[in-house]
Parts: sequence; C-alpha cells; structure tokens
Amino acid sequence: DQQVKQNSPSLSVQEGRISILNCDYTNSMFDYFLWYKKYPAEGPTFLISISSIKDKNEDGRFTVFLNKSAKHLSLHIVPSQPGDSAVYFCAASGSNYQLIWGAGTKLIIKP
Amino acid sequence: DAGITQSPRHKVTETGTPVTLRCHQTENHRYMYWYRQDPGHGLRLIHYSYGVKDTDKGEVSDGYSVSRSKTEDFLLTLESATSSQTSVYFCATTSGGLETQYFGPGTRLLVL
Repeated sequence: DQQVKQNSPSLSVQEGRISILNCDYTNSMFDYFLWYKKYPAEGPTFLISISSIKDKNEDGRFTVFLNKSAKHLSLHIVPSQPGDSAVYFCAASGSNYQLIWGAGTKLIIKP
Repeated sequence: DAGITQSPRHKVTETGTPVTLRCHQTENHRYMYWYRQDPGHGLRLIHYSYGVKDTDKGEVSDGYSVSRSKTEDFLLTLESATSSQTSVYFCATTSGGLETQYFGPGTRLLVL
C-alpha cells in the first residue's frame, strides 16, 4: 500500500523548458512534504519542502505546489538545465520523524 | 551537509554470512536512519534510532538488526544475508524537530 506515489518513472524535457514532476499521497495526516534529488552513486540531497499550511514554496528555479484537497503536489523547475538530470523523490512526513517516500521519477534534460 | 560516511561502500558476500554496515556522522544529530533502495520502491525504512541505545523498526525490518552505542555510529547487521537483501543501503540523519534528512553516499551490497 503505497502512501506516496510518483506515477511517472521517467520524464524527458528540453533544456530551457519547464519540468513538472508530480506526486500523489493518500494519508491526509501528512503535514510536511519534501523533494529530494539523487545523482547516480550518491545519496539523495534535499531540494525543497512545503508545509501543509501552505500551497506554494519557491526557491530560485524550484517551486513546489501543494493541493491538499487533491492530495497532490508538484515540483516545477524553470528553466531546466542539464545538471537537473537526476532522479527526484517525493517524501511525506509521517510520525516519529519518519519519511514516507515515493518511488522516484528520473528526469532527463535534453540539450 | 552533515558529515555522514558509510562503510564499506561496496560489498559482495555469500548467502548465509553475517554482514555489518556502518554509518558514521560528525554532526551530533540525534536521529539516524537506515534505508534500502530498490528499483520501483524508492527508499524504504529498515530501522531508525532516536538516541543512543534507542532504536525502532521501520517498514522492512525483517532480517535486519541495528545498534547504536554512540551518538555518531549506527550499525546495520544482516544476521544471515539472503539474495533478497541485495540492494543499495543508505544511512540518513536529522537533528530532530526538522524533517530534512541528510544522507550518506550509500553502500552497494550484493548477496550471491
């Protein structure tokens, strides 16, 4: 029973265009959501987060949107750059400082 | 980034042998976690620790045990490795009160 779902295993985007990565969750008790980025042979690194009391958080080229009624969040990257090619994980904060993770979406930025 | 190291970085072992993976952090973070990453599953929590000698099970704890005798070290032990435990293992830490976790570089384990 996956509580956090990333339904797109991969996404290909042209350099300079917008990348939109999606994440759905089922547990309405989640109160904090995070996006992590992972390069091959490295550990995930934190990218951006959003509290459930907000619907948008922006950090440079990265913006996360939260739609609580739809239990959906998305990560927008504008403009997309070659260094953005990585696997992106969505995670939700449950209890006891545990994170529930999605399966990841591999983003490929084409030159 | 928190100073998190994992050892070994790669290991090949045989079914039935014991294996211990080490996570070491220099940030004095209270919480430490062990995850495994497999294709199609993302990261799954094996065990976590909320202080020295305080540990608890995660989602996929069967076949694994952990120990934390010092703040900086968190050990993951496979008592008798099986092929289903072939995976990439990540350690993570957080200072507590923050949901952001910081990850080590991972250990790639192959059980033959």
